[in-house]
Amino acid sequence: SQQGEEDPQALSIQEGENATMNCSYKTSINNLQWYRQNSGRGLVHLILIRSNEREKHSGRLRVTLDTSKKSSSLLITASRAADTASYFCATDAGGSEKLVFGKGTKLTVNP
Amino acid sequence: DGGITQSPKYLFRKEGQNVTLSCEQNLNHDAMYWYRQDPGQGLRLIYYSQIVNDFQKGDIAEGYSVSREKKESFPLTVTSAQKNPTAFYLCASSIGRGMYEQYFGPGTRLTVT
Repeated sequence: SQQGEEDPQALSIQEGENATMNCSYKTSINNLQWYRQNSGRGLVHLILIRSNEREKHSGRLRVTLDTSKKSSSLLITASRAADTASYFCATDAGGSEKLVFGKGTKLTVNP
Repeated sequence: DGGITQSPKYLFRKEGQNVTLSCEQNLNHDAMYWYRQDPGQGLRLIYYSQIVNDFQKGDIAEGYSVSREKKESFPLTVTSAQKNPTAFYLCASSIGRGMYEQYFGPGTRLTVT
């Protein structure tokens, strides 16, 4: 079953603009993670936010978590063409041994 | 270099043949995972292993088998019983279960005709 669902499915912006992607999940979590996947490649871990955290930053990335709404957002500021990729959220579904991934948001940054 | 490797990058097989995908890591991670990704879809868990000589079925284990005889190796066999094996297969590892970040290999694209 799908735990995380990203929104929108696809997003196209111009270089320099900010990109916001959202993730909603169904059950309680210990942490939520965001990953990036360039076309035809493996996933790369971006950031992990724990259930007792509300916001986390890493470079141009800002992640928020609202456990009352069971949702998270990933903000990429001042986007670059190199940010073009698919972005996935993943949750541990309440302490599970495994991560459950959403279907991803496909981001295109036009130069 | 520390990392996780998968080979080969592309694999072609005839229907009815079993095929084994390789996954090796030198990160000294205990946990390893196999995922399947279909076009435009997220990752679906096939099998995972928390420790040597032990593994558990994921959400779509039917038609697949694994072994974990060594900490650094977690090969996946796609058997002829898998009805729709053509997909992109990703291997990952982590320090421990669920709550830790996963490190992914580059993937193997399997095409069965």
